[in-house]
Amino acid sequence: AQSVAQPEDQVNVAEGNPLTVKCTYSVSGNPYLFWYVQYPNRGLQFLLKYITGDNLVKGSYGFEAEFNKSQTSFHLKKPSALVSDSALYFCAVRDAGGYNKLIFGAGTRLAVHP
Amino acid sequence: NAGVTQTPKFRILKIGQSMTLQCTQDMNHNYMYWYRQDPGMGLKLIYYSVGAGITDKGEVPNGYNVSRSTTEDFPLRLELAAPSQTSVYFCASSTGQGTYGYTFGSGTRLTVV
Repeated sequence: AQSVAQPEDQVNVAEGNPLTVKCTYSVSGNPYLFWYVQYPNRGLQFLLKYITGDNLVKGSYGFEAEFNKSQTSFHLKKPSALVSDSALYFCAVRDAGGYNKLIFGAGTRLAVHP
Repeated sequence: NAGVTQTPKFRILKIGQSMTLQCTQDMNHNYMYWYRQDPGMGLKLIYYSVGAGITDKGEVPNGYNVSRSTTEDFPLRLELAAPSQTSVYFCASSTGQGTYGYTFGSGTRLTVV
């Protein structure tokens, strides 16, 4: 079955430190992977995607993600966290069944402390 | 450019009532989706549409109905509301080609009491 797992409900990090939000996936065929961010009382905003090519993908707001096929992972990273990065982060994979349907993980709450 | 617009933002329903959640997009996207978001559960696909007149069920369609009479509009209908339908509902759209990403609306928070 196709699925996305975000093993951490919450990640806490001090401002200025690097952050990592973990994501693993299970999908048939080549994975199309996405990260979205949700700020309070807002819809989800696209951060970045991996379709093909370089394993390190750069996205919005200084975020990047590393695709690792052997570990079936797509971890979100940022070299230096900001308090304003505090939000709910969702990893998603495109459903192999087509029609650009996305399967979302449960979400990870990132808290960046001053 | 408004993107994806959802109305209402908040609603309280009594058990057994019905309502329609509205979703409109102005990007001429062919693909549209309805998801519900429950705490700790991520987003679950309710229904989707790949064009006017074409809709199909997602992972959790029971208790909901949709229609797609125009490219712009994709309303979600709740019949006989139940407490289990208390959730935040998001509408999204996509070109379905090239970028593959979604544009989301700001959501409708629904409480059934």
